[in-house]
Amino acid sequence: SQQGEEDPQALSIQEGENATMNCSYKTSINNLQWYRQNSGRGLVHLILIRSNEREKHSGRLRVTLDTSKKSSSLLITASRAADTASYFCATDEGSYIPTFGRGTSLIVHP
Amino acid sequence: DTAVSQTPKYLVTQMGNDKSIKCEQNLGHDTMYWYKQDSKKFLKIMFSYNNKELIINETVPNRFSPKSPDKAHLNLHINSLELGDSAVYFCASSPVGTSGAYNEQFFGPGTRLTVL
Repeated sequence: SQQGEEDPQALSIQEGENATMNCSYKTSINNLQWYRQNSGRGLVHLILIRSNEREKHSGRLRVTLDTSKKSSSLLITASRAADTASYFCATDEGSYIPTFGRGTSLIVHP
Repeated sequence: DTAVSQTPKYLVTQMGNDKSIKCEQNLGHDTMYWYKQDSKKFLKIMFSYNNKELIINETVPNRFSPKSPDKAHLNLHINSLELGDSAVYFCASSPVGTSGAYNEQFFGPGTRLTVL
């Protein structure tokens, strides 16, 4: 089955820097979503971007989608220590089947 | 105020036992899910229920059985527990999009199952 794959697997940056993580998938999608998971917690929805959209913003988050390359990126600007978490992309298969990647582990050093 | 709740938060048990994890959502969503997250954080969907009917069922062992007494609850029963069942199990819910595509999911806090 289709699966989003995040890259890099791990990212370590200093507070104030930008963090970029990528997601690639294999077949066509209706939408792509990004989630955050803090250690020991459930996933929290960040942004949903539909297949006919190219870019979306939410606060310090910017998500882009390139359907020709079957990829998406999540940019966190001016990162904070509180952004330390794992970030997952989730894609659909045109049905009720959500498929998650393995996530990018982000560490932001104060 | 908790949107999606799960009990228990931690579950430690012996191989061969039968256990249940409960999940409740107060969001009025039509679809609920169960996920298994392994030690490498890989999140794999196990079941999905829409309006009390199972609509997808990944290739999980039949020792796992979801039970939905009503739209707000989706419990997970596990029989004859094995070492490999140790993981974190997440419940989630979402509204169904009119186009059929799934929407934002709301996750519970997770249940960490340890099988000894």
